[in-house]
Amino acid sequence: AQRVTQPEKLLSVFKGAPVELKCNYSYSGSPELFWYVQYSRQRLQLLLRHISRESIKGFTADLNKGETSFHLKKPFAQEEDSAMYYCALRRRETSGSRLTFGEGTQLTVNP
Amino acid sequence: DTGVSQNPRHKITKRGQNVTFRCDPISEHNRLYWYRQTLGQGPEFLTYFQNEAQLEKSRLLSDRFSAERPKGSFSTLEIQRTEQGDSAMYLCASSLVAHYEQYFGPGTRLTVT
Repeated sequence: AQRVTQPEKLLSVFKGAPVELKCNYSYSGSPELFWYVQYSRQRLQLLLRHISRESIKGFTADLNKGETSFHLKKPFAQEEDSAMYYCALRRRETSGSRLTFGEGTQLTVNP
Repeated sequence: DTGVSQNPRHKITKRGQNVTFRCDPISEHNRLYWYRQTLGQGPEFLTYFQNEAQLEKSRLLSDRFSAERPKGSFSTLEIQRTEQGDSAMYLCASSLVAHYEQYFGPGTRLTVT
């Protein structure tokens, strides 16, 4: 069975400071990792996936298979980044299968 | 709005009553997923369909829960004999076959009193 852990429920930083949201996973097979974001009063939406290795809204995330981690980083946080962030895992062996989510981290960027 | 829609958005019911939720996916999406989210937790997978076939069910989906997607378009999730522990946000998502991105609806918030 797969599991995703986000150790911080709440994270608060000041505008312009670096931010890192932690995500660890456990899965014996080949995982596909994602970050989903939910802004206030909006629906859950995909932020980025590890395979694309792209930067979205200044955020990046690298899959570290040795440490089984997929931390989300941004060098300079903005107030509009305040939101709930969920790390999620999908088994690559079965395309279209379920997402397993972590508990989420509420990020607040203070002015 | 061409996104995933869910109805109703809110439902308050008394313990023991049956409730039914509806999800309309993005029109060309063949896959449809149901998740449940309780306070302070991430979404938990319940079940998913490819067209009208229900391909996977979570152990969370007790025999009081049933989901259908009769014509491969909209889906319904029914909870029979509701319990207070069923109070949660029920999320629906859809995707294209073999595509990684799931598009989520706004959710139906169920409160069982």
